[in-house]
Amino acid sequence: DAKTTQPNSMESNEEEPVHLPCNHSTISGTDYIHWYRQLPSQGPEYVIHGLTSNVNNRMASLAIAEDRKSSTLILHRATLRDAAVYYCILRIPNFGNEKLTFGTGTRLTIIP
Amino acid sequence: NAGVTQTPKFQVLKTGQSMTLQCAQDMNHEYMSWYRQDPGMGLRLIHYSVGAGITDQGEVPNGYNVSRSTTEDFPLRLLSAAPSQTSVYFCASSQIGTSKFVRPQHFGDGTRLSIL
Repeated sequence: DAKTTQPNSMESNEEEPVHLPCNHSTISGTDYIHWYRQLPSQGPEYVIHGLTSNVNNRMASLAIAEDRKSSTLILHRATLRDAAVYYCILRIPNFGNEKLTFGTGTRLTIIP
Repeated sequence: NAGVTQTPKFQVLKTGQSMTLQCAQDMNHEYMSWYRQDPGMGLRLIHYSVGAGITDQGEVPNGYNVSRSTTEDFPLRLLSAAPSQTSVYFCASSQIGTSKFVRPQHFGDGTRLSIL
């Protein structure tokens, strides 16, 4: 599996946008970029995924660099509930291979 | 809206005891898996299943058994508990992806297990 690199921790003020970076310089053409987050004392939660184009959903936006070697998860207006560990994960579509390879992620702290 | 349900939420065992962690999902997902999470580390895959009657090993399978007799349930058995198995255990489920699409996984809230 191709590796991803994320900062260990980030801080952001409440009600401001947050940009969480992820580097994946060895990404292959078939790797999808997935983001999950883990709130305190909970299991991971799917946030968003994309392949080449930028993606938006109700939780966040995903901006993918043109060369696909990096991506950024954007929380448009952070709330205290967004304090979590965010994981950037690469996945290849492959029947039956649904494994997620988790790194240590970015711990996001929201300052009231 | 139950999703993935794990029981128990907390458990303390003595070394050498056996127990079963339960996982049930109500979304008719073919794929189910078990992860463990140790302090300061990401989740690591223990075992997984792509359907009833089919299981396979993940990254850290030693000391654990699984079976899948129904689509809904995927129990994880600790045969003889060891202190190194103290961890938080997460069960996940998803539809199986295709050659073009990956499917989001749904996680339970975990079982916190301490082995004394």
